[in-house]
Amino acid sequence: DQQVKQNSPSLSVQEGRISILNCDYTNSMFDYFLWYKKYPAEGPTFLISISSIKDKNEDGRFTVFLNKSAKHLSLHIVPSQPGDSAVYFCAASAQYGGATNKLIFGTGTLLAVQP
Amino acid sequence: ETGVTQSPTHLIKTRGQQVTLRCSSQSGHNTVSWYQQALGQGPQFIFQYYREEENGRGNFPPRFSGLQFPNYSSELNVNALELDDSALYLCASSFGARVNEQFFGPGTRLTVL
Repeated sequence: DQQVKQNSPSLSVQEGRISILNCDYTNSMFDYFLWYKKYPAEGPTFLISISSIKDKNEDGRFTVFLNKSAKHLSLHIVPSQPGDSAVYFCAASAQYGGATNKLIFGTGTLLAVQP
Repeated sequence: ETGVTQSPTHLIKTRGQQVTLRCSSQSGHNTVSWYQQALGQGPQFIFQYYREEENGRGNFPPRFSGLQFPNYSSELNVNALELDDSALYLCASSFGARVNEQFFGPGTRLTVL
């Protein structure tokens, strides 16, 4: 049972345009959401996060939006740059549901930013 | 500040063998989590170690076991290797068991033949 879903395996965007990566979740106990970026032969790198008490968090070119009623979050990258080309993972955790900070990951979206 | 390191980078084993993977946590971190990433999938939580004790486990059989040492480095041991154990094994460190921003190492690519 996939609790965190990224339904788009890949996305191609022109440099300078907006990239929108989507993520859906099923577990209403999730209260903290993160996006990680992964280059080949490297581990995932933390990008941005959002708590369930917020609906938006912004950090430079990256903004994450959370719609709790739809159990949906999205990552916006504006403007997109060729160096943003990587696999993006959405992850969720139930921070107050237990002592373990276990992250549940989606299957990832491969973003290709074309020069 | 030293980041998370893992060894070895790549490993090839045969079915039925045992393997030990190692992880050094980032300076100042006391929690290590291990994940398995199969091809085309997202990382899946194996278990977490906090202050040398196992602190939560995912849906993995007992032949997956681990240790955390006083310096907070960690080992992942897998016994009786199966073909499906072929994957990228990632460790992530953080300060405190509840901290959500985990810092990942580069991973160990395990191939089971």
